[in-house]
Order: sequence, then structure tokens, then C-alpha cells
Amino acid sequence: DQQVKQNSPSLSVQEGRISILNCDYTNSMFDYFLWYKKYPAEGPTFLISISSIKDKNEDGRFTVFLNKSAKHLSLHIVPSQPGDSAVYFCAALGAGTYKYIFGTGTRLKVLA
Amino acid sequence: NAGVTQTPKFRILKIGQSMTLQCTQDMNHNYMYWYRQDPGMGLKLIYYSVGAGITDKGEVPNGYNVSRSTTEDFPLRLELAAPSQTSVYFCASSPLTGPPLHFGNGTRLTVT
Repeated sequence: DQQVKQNSPSLSVQEGRISILNCDYTNSMFDYFLWYKKYPAEGPTFLISISSIKDKNEDGRFTVFLNKSAKHLSLHIVPSQPGDSAVYFCAALGAGTYKYIFGTGTRLKVLA
Repeated sequence: NAGVTQTPKFRILKIGQSMTLQCTQDMNHNYMYWYRQDPGMGLKLIYYSVGAGITDKGEVPNGYNVSRSTTEDFPLRLELAAPSQTSVYFCASSPLTGPPLHFGNGTRLTVT
């Protein structure tokens, strides 16, 4: 039972354009969401997060949007750069729990 | 600060052998986690700990054991290695205040 889903295994985007990565979840008890970036042979690194009391959080080129009614979040990267090429994981945390549940990841390739 | 340190980086085991994956963090984080990453399957939680002496099962605990005798260390034990345990293992930690998770660089384990 995959509680956090990333339905696009891969995405290619031209440098300078917008990258949109999507994530869906099934558990309505999740109240905090995070995005991680992972390069080969390294551990995931934290990128940006959002609490369920917000619908948007922005940090530089990265913006996360949360649609609670649709149980959907997305990560926007504008403008995309070749160094953004990596695997992106979304993760969810349930209220009052310590268990981070991760999606399956989306491999982003930014073409120069 | 070294952050989260995992050893070894690589290991090959024969079926039925046992080993311990080491994880230590120097950030005085209360919460520690073990995840495994299989291709196309994202990160699956194996075990986690909310403090010294306290551990709990995650999504895929079978075939693994953990202990948490100190705040810094959270070793993962494989007693009877099986090919299904071939994976990349990540240790992570977070502070008492909550997210985000901080990851180590992983241990790549092959069981043949």
C-alpha cells in the first residue's frame, strides 16, 4: 500500500524552463510534507517543506504547493538548471508520529 | 560537524552471512531511522528510534534488527542475509524539534 505516490518516474526539461514534479498521498493524517533531492552515490538532501496549514512555500527557485482537498503536492523549480538534474523524493509525516513515508521518486533531467 | 556517518560504504555478503551496518550522528539528534532504497521503489522505512533504548518497526522490518544504546549510534543488524536484502541502506536522523531528516551517504549491500 503506497501511501505516497510519485507517478512520473522521469521528467526532462529544457534549461531555463519550469520543472513541475508531482506527488499524491492517500493518508489524510499526514500534516507535514518535504521534498528531497538525491544525486547518485549520495544521501538525499532536504530541499523544501510545507505544513498542512499552508498551501504554498517558497525558497528561491523552489516552490512547493499543497492542495489538501486533492491530497496533492507539487514542486516547482524556476528556472531549471543543469545542476538540478537528480532524483526528487517527496515525503510525508503524520501528525504526532515520527515516521517519514517517502514516494518512489522522480528522475529530473535538465537539458542544457 | 560530520553529520550522519555510515560505514561501510560497500559490502558483498554471501547468503546466510550476517553483518552490522553502522550509523552514527554527531548532531545530538533524538530521532534516528534506517531506510532502504530499491530501484523504482523509493525509500522504505525499516526501523526507527525516538531515543536511546526505544526502537520501533517501520514498513519493512523483517530480516533486520536494531538497537539504540546511545543517542549517537543506531546500528542495523542483518542476521541471515538473503538476496532480497540487496539494496542501498540509508541512515537518517532528526532533532527533537522535528523535520527535516538528515541522511548519511548510504551503504550499498549486495547479497549473492
